Amino acid sequence: EADIYQTPRYLVIGTGKKITLECSQTMGHDKMYWYQQDPGMELHLIHYSYGVNSTEKGDLSSESTVSRIRTEHFPLTLESARPSHTSQYLCASSATGAGDYGYTFGSGTRLTVV
Amino acid sequence: QKEVEQDPGPLSVPEGAIVSLNCTYSNSAFQYFMWYRQYSRKGPELLMYTYSSGNKEDGRFTAQVDKSSKYISLFIRDSQPSDSATYLCAMTVGSNYKLTFGKGTLLTVNP
Repeated sequence: EADIYQTPRYLVIGTGKKITLECSQTMGHDKMYWYQQDPGMELHLIHYSYGVNSTEKGDLSSESTVSRIRTEHFPLTLESARPSHTSQYLCASSATGAGDYGYTFGSGTRLTVV
Repeated sequence: QKEVEQDPGPLSVPEGAIVSLNCTYSNSAFQYFMWYRQYSRKGPELLMYTYSSGNKEDGRFTAQVDKSSKYISLFIRDSQPSDSATYLCAMTVGSNYKLTFGKGTLLTVNP
């Protein structure tokens, strides 16, 4: 059972709306990530955080922003949604330590902007 | 050249077949290798994790790493329809480095 939770699972929203995708983990992992994945396509890292008050942009340019005020919480915000933002957004977390190199992923939020 | 190359398939096999999934990589500093399984409309889940060269077996799954050839494989024996998913390879230099993912191979096991 996943210990990383994303809400909502599905979201359909109009152009220009502000949205926040929620991601929370209960494993105490210090590192968290946001990936964007279009159907049948590869994962693209858009944001990551190595701890509280630490956020970095990923390999794929994104108009979204993130914050990390608490260890367990890593929300992603789009100030003004556009149809080009339609995609699946996956949150993941990982620990730092010997043998802990894998990521735990959430089930994703499928966003459709109309 | 991408750091990690993975044939996206799709790959379609009959139930009971042995499946071989592969990735090649260019960064010789990669030390830790993983395989993730992703069902449709779900997040990836960690399937196998290996360090260094050699084989690791877990039930019907075997992960193989050949660092001299920069080549990793995942073998699935006696494949089942429930194995139908996208399989992604991933690798990293170490714990302070991000994972680098392959594009994923879509596998369908037909009953």
